[in-house]
Amino acid sequence: GEDVEQSLFLSVREGDSSVINCTYTDSSSTYLYWYKQEPGAGLQLLTYIFSNMDMKQDQRLTVLLNKKDKHLSLRIADTQTGDSAIYFCAPQRGGKLIFGQGTTLQVKP
Amino acid sequence: DAGVIQSPRHEVTEMGQEVTLRCKPISGHNSLFWYRQTMMRGLELLIYFNNNVPIDDSGMPEDRFSAKMPNASFSTLKIQPSEPRDSAVYFCASIGQGFHYGYTFGSGTRLTVV
Repeated sequence: GEDVEQSLFLSVREGDSSVINCTYTDSSSTYLYWYKQEPGAGLQLLTYIFSNMDMKQDQRLTVLLNKKDKHLSLRIADTQTGDSAIYFCAPQRGGKLIFGQGTTLQVKP
Repeated sequence: DAGVIQSPRHEVTEMGQEVTLRCKPISGHNSLFWYRQTMMRGLELLIYFNNNVPIDDSGMPEDRFSAKMPNASFSTLKIQPSEPRDSAVYFCASIGQGFHYGYTFGSGTRLTVV
């Protein structure tokens, strides 16, 4: 089955860049997503990358995909206090999403 | 579109009672998913439907859990009898043909079994 691993916690200063990393085991994933969850809320789609891409940029967000190493990362530029949340890496496999345990991003003013 | 709609938002019930969670997917989406989120186990896929047909229910914990999708606009997740270890947030999600649009999640139902 699919295993998805993320570090549990990341703390940055406001204005710095944040990089959240994810490793996965199933190389057949076609779409790989990043979701954001704020306290007490549902999951909000941030961005995705298709498996034939190495990089995707979307405003402050940059996704990097290393298929050889099965490594996915999300970079948030100019991190703001409103970015404080849990971030989930979620590769798609067989039509379903498999979630990592989530990385809690703490942004200090 | 109002998004994926789940009800109730919060449910508190006593152990042994039947609980029914409801979900209305986005119109036109043909796949629907039920996830459970707990601190200990994170987000777990319980079951998913494609065109109203259950495709994978391997994540359903035990026979006390059942899910139905009688039509394209409605699904239920039932727990009977409920136990304290079922306490969690239950999310419903749906997706259409375009995977680049991503899976849309509802706001969740927070279930507490006392």
